[in-house]
Amino acid sequence: EAGVAQSPRYKIIEKRQSVAFWCNPISGHATLYWYQQILGQGPKLLIQFQNNGVVDDSQLPKDRFSAERLKGVDSTLKIQPAKLEDSAVYLCASSLVHIFNEQFFGPGTRLTVL
Amino acid sequence: GESVGLHLPTLSVQEGDNSIINCAYSNSASDYFIWYKQESGKGPQFIIDIRSNMDKRQGQRVTVLLNKTVKHLSLQIAATQPGDSAVYFCAENTGNQFYFGTGTSLTVIP
Repeated sequence: EAGVAQSPRYKIIEKRQSVAFWCNPISGHATLYWYQQILGQGPKLLIQFQNNGVVDDSQLPKDRFSAERLKGVDSTLKIQPAKLEDSAVYLCASSLVHIFNEQFFGPGTRLTVL
Repeated sequence: GESVGLHLPTLSVQEGDNSIINCAYSNSASDYFIWYKQESGKGPQFIIDIRSNMDKRQGQRVTVLLNKTVKHLSLQIAATQPGDSAVYFCAENTGNQFYFGTGTSLTVIP
């Protein structure tokens, strides 16, 4: 079974630039999560989708971050404009349906904002 | 936000010994807890979970204990192996939100 795919794996940008990350969840997984993991910290949930609907985005900085999952499969997370403090690893995870289902994580995208 | 913390940021154990990693959580309403293992350059990997109506759950070489009275969670790894070296996170679920702790770095000494 293929795992969660993410791209790019690494990205370096300057502050105030825009960046987008892509995630392809495991086939058949209805729930998709985006996490931000700052170095030395645990992941922080940014947004959770159930199919193409948003379940929770209470910790998403909506003035600069946006995410979509238009067809209920792939998802993109965008930052515009980026700040220095956005430097982190952005992890995508998916699970079958229910919140008690195991979450499978992708390898993440390491973002460096200069 | 929620507070999920780990008592020890680093832990070193001899190969073959048992490891115990602890975690404190702050929200008594949390009803689901997960332990994750994260190796360098990889995403977290599910190890074991437990729901709040249980005190103990066992997997292969791992046991999770939940003490709701003191809001404490622990992960026990039996016969620790070099491949167990990683950062371990506990996570708690409250509503739709998962909150992760800071992590404990486990080093297994051959």
